[in-house]
Amino acid sequence: GAVVSQHPSWVICKSGTSVKIECRSLDFQATTMFWYRQFPKQSLMLMATSNEGSKATYEQGVEKDKFLINHASLTLSTLTVTSAHPEDSSFYICSARLPNTEAFFGQGTRLTVV
Amino acid sequence: AQSVTQPDIHITVSEGASLELRCNYSYGATPYLFWYVQSPGQGLQLLLKYFSGDTLVQGIKGFEAEFKRSQSSFNLRKPSVHWSDAAEYFCAVGANQAGTALIFGKGTTLSVSS
Repeated sequence: GAVVSQHPSWVICKSGTSVKIECRSLDFQATTMFWYRQFPKQSLMLMATSNEGSKATYEQGVEKDKFLINHASLTLSTLTVTSAHPEDSSFYICSARLPNTEAFFGQGTRLTVV
Repeated sequence: AQSVTQPDIHITVSEGASLELRCNYSYGATPYLFWYVQSPGQGLQLLLKYFSGDTLVQGIKGFEAEFKRSQSSFNLRKPSVHWSDAAEYFCAVGANQAGTALIFGKGTTLSVSS
């Protein structure tokens, strides 16, 4: 199957700083990528849909200015958590789909804001 | 509204016993159904998927699932559970389009007792 790589796997940052998470499709081109957030023992909540060359589409309730998404190429989407606070601590997962296939997921990023 | 319901939050099964995890969905279009497994702190691994055809689908690790349109269900089964199957299981539904995100259920935690 296709491979989606996410980096870093975990990150600890100080409150008020920004953190960038990268999501790469290694062996295919992804016009669209998806960013999910997962709280402990809970399901994956779709945050936004990242579209190559255009603005991301955010789900209701997700702060666009806090969670900046850039999809500058067909193989890379980035999620930047700006001015992070402890409540932003979570597990973030990206995914991409090919036509007629399932979604492929990155390994996830554990963000801890202290 | 599009949604996925996994009625069982936590299930404990004895090693060697059979397993069934329930999944019901509500989806306006033709549903494409998936089961994913997640180990702690990891990304998601696809167990199996249903797009069309035979309603009983076989997956990896000895898992199978049956699509029942009349019941809007896609239950996951395994005849004999191994201790390594302990994990979080997610049912998901989506359209057959690369630009469409999957909608996930809340997940079922499987514990395996010896």
